[in-house]
Amino acid sequence: AAGVIQSPRHLIKEKRETATLKCYPIPRHDTVYWYQQGPGQDPQFLISFYEKMQSDKGSIPDRFSAQQFSDYHSELNMSSLELGDSALYFCASSLGGQHMNTEAFFGQGTRLTVV
Amino acid sequence: AQTVTQSQPEMSVQEAETVTLSCTYDTSESDYYLFWYKQPPSRQMILVIRQEAYKQQNATENRFSVNFQKAAKSFSLKISDSQLGDAAMYFCAYRSPDSNYQLIWGAGTKLIIKP
Repeated sequence: AAGVIQSPRHLIKEKRETATLKCYPIPRHDTVYWYQQGPGQDPQFLISFYEKMQSDKGSIPDRFSAQQFSDYHSELNMSSLELGDSALYFCASSLGGQHMNTEAFFGQGTRLTVV
Repeated sequence: AQTVTQSQPEMSVQEAETVTLSCTYDTSESDYYLFWYKQPPSRQMILVIRQEAYKQQNATENRFSVNFQKAAKSFSLKISDSQLGDAAMYFCAYRSPDSNYQLIWGAGTKLIIKP
């Protein structure tokens, strides 16, 4: 069965550079979530999209932006990278709206290292 | 606001024995969903089990079962016949329309399996 695909799996950037993380949800899933997980920490919710519209916003820095496209894939754009942005970035997808009982399926994550 | 609390940062259990991981949550909602996710060293986030709040029967998945106490807002995970492959971080999570369907996470419990 198709899973959530994230690319790239690993990314190394220098301070002040930009990075773009991509997430391809499971087919027919209309909701995408982005999470940031620092070393030894629980996942922190960044932002979510439902039917291509932003549905909720968490602790996402102003330097970051995201969007969901017509094919439901999502991109997280990160600018002016800082050392503290080094983390594992998860994308998850699910059916939203009235289907909230369905689980969120996670991608394998993108490990971002800022040097 | 909804919160999820895992009071055990780390637990250890002898292989083949049973261990219970605790999770409590705070919500004023009556309709919500609870999940346990496992995150092994690979950092992949894997759903272990889920519970619908409207169901009185505790969910079970093979060696994994929950003790869902709605009035007490408690959602513990029991792992029977522990195996070495069960070693991982375990996260309890909550989801409801009031949280815009995003997952609210506990801080996680690191489970160590002693051979």
